Amino acid sequence: DIVMTQTPLSSPVTLGQPASISCRSSQSLVYSDGNTYLSWLQRRPGQPPRLLIYKISNRFSGVPDRFSGSGAGTDFTLKISRVEAEDVGVYYCMQAAQFPWTFGQGTKVEIK
Amino acid sequence: EVQLVESGGGLVQPGGSLRLSCAASGFTFSNYGMNWVRQAPGKGLEWVSYISSTSSTLEYADSVKGRFTISRDNARNSLYLQMNSLRAGDTAVYHCVTGGATRPGYWGQGTLVTISS
Repeated sequence: DIVMTQTPLSSPVTLGQPASISCRSSQSLVYSDGNTYLSWLQRRPGQPPRLLIYKISNRFSGVPDRFSGSGAGTDFTLKISRVEAEDVGVYYCMQAAQFPWTFGQGTKVEIK
Repeated sequence: EVQLVESGGGLVQPGGSLRLSCAASGFTFSNYGMNWVRQAPGKGLEWVSYISSTSSTLEYADSVKGRFTISRDNARNSLYLQMNSLRAGDTAVYHCVTGGATRPGYWGQGTLVTISS
């Protein structure tokens, strides 16, 4: 199985300041169709997970442009350009290049 | 608006069975592969099972293989998970999740399954 490793596991941030989360996969996430199936999910308290970013850098429907994804190979990053109060929650990277889909441990974003 | 509404969760004794359902609306269900993903209390996310749009391909996590069966009814826009021989370790909130080009896509709110005597 592909192991997804996130850092940091906790990220206290000041409102209006940027935040960044890293994710490393234990092997390539390139699927046979040439796409890299690395996604980022947000889980707000009391809510189900919500897709933010798919295929490394594509924002899902309705996702604000302060969220951006980047990376290649086995190293990926989620950035929030200016953290807002509604961004508090746990963020997960995940891979869907092969079954079983696997997830990072989660990074808790909280306001300082 | 895409909606995924899970049902069928509850409290079951070890060794028992449950059937989860997911009612889909707001998109062409028959065009999408579908998944079940679970999250145990205080734990991370765990993918459970996948079914292709035509039911021709089924995939399972090793932890549930031989005990869980995924199925779908495209005419009813519904996804199912038959869970047998349930164990304490299966206690979790179970979400149905769309597949497709973005995979994953949309997530349902989830249904809680509790295995306890």
